[in-house]
Order: sequence, then structure tokens, then C-alpha cells
Amino acid sequence: AQSVTQPDIHITVSEGASLELRCNYSYGATPYLFWYVQSPGQGLQLLLKYFSGDTLVQGIKGFEAEFKRSQSSFNLRKPSVHWSDAAEYFCAVGPPAGTASKLTFGTGTRLQVTL
Amino acid sequence: NAGVMQNPRHLVRRRGQEARLRCSPMKGHSHVYWYRQLPEEGLKFMVYLQKENIIDESGMPKERFSAEFPKEGPSILRIQQVVRGDSAAYFCASSATVAGDSPLHFGNGTRLTVT
Repeated sequence: AQSVTQPDIHITVSEGASLELRCNYSYGATPYLFWYVQSPGQGLQLLLKYFSGDTLVQGIKGFEAEFKRSQSSFNLRKPSVHWSDAAEYFCAVGPPAGTASKLTFGTGTRLQVTL
Repeated sequence: NAGVMQNPRHLVRRRGQEARLRCSPMKGHSHVYWYRQLPEEGLKFMVYLQKENIIDESGMPKERFSAEFPKEGPSILRIQQVVRGDSAAYFCASSATVAGDSPLHFGNGTRLTVT
């Protein structure tokens, strides 16, 4: 069964500092990988996705993520965090073929940004 | 282009009552998914529907929960005889196709509180 682990429940960074949120997955083949962001009281917004090809993917709001097959990881990065980035971030994995229904989400990492 | 619309945003029900949650997918999307988010947890898949068909309900509790996506109108998630453990945020998502490269677009959720 597929699973996603986000080992950091809560991270605090200073505005302007760099950010890396960790995500490890367990899946039998190369999955589809996603990062979503959720602001308080809101739904989830897609930041970026990886299906195939270049292992470094660029997303919205200056985020990027790198797929590392050898480490089963898909860590999210941003070189300089803004106060508006404070939110909860979810990594998700889906099967590579067919149904998008079986997205499996991690438990999330809550990002706090200090000024 | 309106996104995924869910209503109501907040719903309060007493134990034993029925809860009906509505979801209108994005224009042009015919695939609808329901997820449940419990406090401090990630999203858990419940059900995947296409127009007039339930495709995958492997995440739905066996009793009291049902979902539909009629030919006309929004998708409905129905919870009968609610209990306190049903209190959660319920998110609807839609996608344009079933292929894995069609990301999910989420609504802002319905927060159900059972008193």
C-alpha cells in the first residue's frame, strides 16, 4: 500500500530564510507526487506536481521540489520565505496510471514564519 | 472560471440528525472526489464519483454515509444519524479527466460540527 511520511509536524523559520519541507513516500513504482498548501479555513491549493522527466520541478509562489528515487523523497524547497507562506503543507502520492482518486496524503507540516 | 464550490461552509448538527454536504465541481470537470480531514490529520480519501456513477467508495464508512453525483446538480455527501466522531472538515475535489496527470482542484470545505 502506498504511504506518505512528513516527518516534521511543525517548522518555524524567519522571513527571508530558506525552507525545506521533507516528504518520503512508499510505493511500488514511480508514483505521481504532489505538494499542496492549505491556509487556515481554506481548501488545498496545488503548488506543484511531478509525473516524469526532470526531477526538479518548479511550482507556484517560488516553490520547487526535487524527486529523488534513491531516497524515495520529494522535498519541497523555497530559497527565501515570505510571511504569507505561513500555512500547512501536504505532500501527496498517487498511482502513475489511471485513477487520480487514490491520492494518499501525508499528515502535513505546519509552517510558521517569524518576522 | 469558478473553482470548486462547496456549501455550506459550516454545518452544525445534533447527534442523530442528517448532514447533507454539497459540491459543485469546476466547469468542465466530471470527476468528483470527497475527502475527510480530521483535526491534526491529513486528508483521507472517501469516495470517487463520475456523473451518475460511484467509481470507488473504498474509503467510505460502511454505514450511514452515502454519496451521489446526479446528471444534473451538485454532488451530495450524505451522513445519516450523525455522531460526534463525524465532526471533521469535508473537502470535495474535482478533476478534468481520470488520468494521473490531471490534478485535483479542491473546494474550501464544509466544517461539520456534531453537538
